[in-house]
Amino acid sequence: AQSVTQLGSHVSVSEGALVLLRCNYSSSVPPYLFWYVQYPNQGLQLLLKYTTGATLVKGINGFEAEFKKSETSFHLTKPSAHMSDAAEYFCAVTGVMNTGFQKLVFGTGTRLLVSP
Amino acid sequence: ETGVTQTPRHLVMGMTNKKSLKCEQHLGHNAMYWYKQSAKKPLELMFVYSLEERVENNSVPSRFSPECPNSSHLFLHLHTLQPEDSALYLCASSQGQGRTDTQYFGPGTRLTVL
Repeated sequence: AQSVTQLGSHVSVSEGALVLLRCNYSSSVPPYLFWYVQYPNQGLQLLLKYTTGATLVKGINGFEAEFKKSETSFHLTKPSAHMSDAAEYFCAVTGVMNTGFQKLVFGTGTRLLVSP
Repeated sequence: ETGVTQTPRHLVMGMTNKKSLKCEQHLGHNAMYWYKQSAKKPLELMFVYSLEERVENNSVPSRFSPECPNSSHLFLHLHTLQPEDSALYLCASSQGQGRTDTQYFGPGTRLTVL
C-alpha cells in the first residue's frame, strides 16, 4: 500500500527566506509523486509532479521538488518566499484501489505561513 | 466557465434534510471524483467514476449517494447526514485513470450539518 507523511503541520518563514516543505512516501511500486497547493476558499491546484526521468522537478510559482529514492523523499522548496505563497500544501503519491484503478493518496498537509 | 465548477459553495443543512451537491467539468475529461476534506485529516476519496461508471465506492455510508449522468456532470446526493459529515467536499476530474493523469479540482462545497 502507498502512504505519505508530511512532517510539520505548520511551517513559518519570513518573506524572502527559503521554503522547505517535507514529504516522505511509502510505495511498493515506483512512485509517481505530486505536490498540490490550496489557497483559502479554493480547491487544490497542481504545483508539480514526478513520474519518471529527471529527479529534480520544476513547477509553477518558482517551486521545485527533488525525488530521492534512497531517502523515500520528495521535499518541496522555493528559494525566496513571497507573501502570496501562504497556503496549504499537500503531497500525494499514486496508489492502487481494490478495483485495480489508480488513486491519489494524500498527506495531511502543511500550512505555510509567511511573515513580512 | 472553465475548469471544474461546484455549486453551491456553501451549504447548511439539518440532519433530516435532503440536498445535492453539483460538479461540472469543462475539460473534456473522462474520470470524476468526490473527496471529503476534514480538518487535520488527509483528503478522503469517496467515489470515482470513469466514463460514467462507478469504479470505486471506498466504503462510504449510504447517506451519500453519487450520480454521474454524463462525463461532464457529477452529483452527490445527501440524506440524513450527521454533524460529523460537516466538511469541505471537493470534486475533481482527470483525463483518464492512469498513474500520470493529473486531477483538477473544483473550489469545493463547504457543508455544515446542524
